[in-house]
Amino acid sequence: NAGVTQTPKFRVLKTGQSMTLLCAQDMNHEYMYWYRQDPGMGLRLIHYSVGEGTTAKGEVPDGYNVSRLKKQNFLLGLESAAPSQTSVYFCASSYSWVYNEQFFGPGTRLTVL
Amino acid sequence: AQTVTQSQPEMSVQEAETVTLSCTYDTSENNYYLFWYKQPPSRQMILVIRQEAYKQQNATENRFSVNFQKAAKSFSLKISDSQLGDTAMYFCAFRYTGANSKLTFGKGITLSVRP
Repeated sequence: NAGVTQTPKFRVLKTGQSMTLLCAQDMNHEYMYWYRQDPGMGLRLIHYSVGEGTTAKGEVPDGYNVSRLKKQNFLLGLESAAPSQTSVYFCASSYSWVYNEQFFGPGTRLTVL
Repeated sequence: AQTVTQSQPEMSVQEAETVTLSCTYDTSENNYYLFWYKQPPSRQMILVIRQEAYKQQNATENRFSVNFQKAAKSFSLKISDSQLGDTAMYFCAFRYTGANSKLTFGKGITLSVRP
């Protein structure tokens, strides 16, 4: 099993450009999450999904959109990137909400100039 | 809303010694879970240990154990026989047991194991 994979691993954008980060998991997990990690801030939840076709806002959703068209994929979109979105983005998935061990991807380092 | 506080930004320990990482949290909930995650330089977040609040017995996973003090809202991680591979950032995290509750992370602590 590959676990949770993220594409791309690194990306540099100019202000105003758009991009999509792809997260894929092969563990048949229902729940998927997008976090951002900033220095001294820990991880903060951007959006999450409790199943195929469903998404919900997390702690810091502004400036991001997500889609979960397939159970195994969770996409994070930036429509108009801003320097404040420079961060490391992590995707995670979990089988159940109750026991909630989240498995994390390797992260995507995004720089917005 | 719950908060998780890790007040020590950095710690250092000699290889083979024991180190304790502190974490406190604030919540009005009675049923919840607590976690310690490890993030090595590779950036991959790995679950180290988990504690259910209703369990009085402290969780243990090999060299890793916790000291869970529910009344004091304290959840510290003890690493015994520290190894060079333990060098990483460690995050304490909390979530309550309600449906769709989110995982709240502390800011993390950087642990360096010296050879």
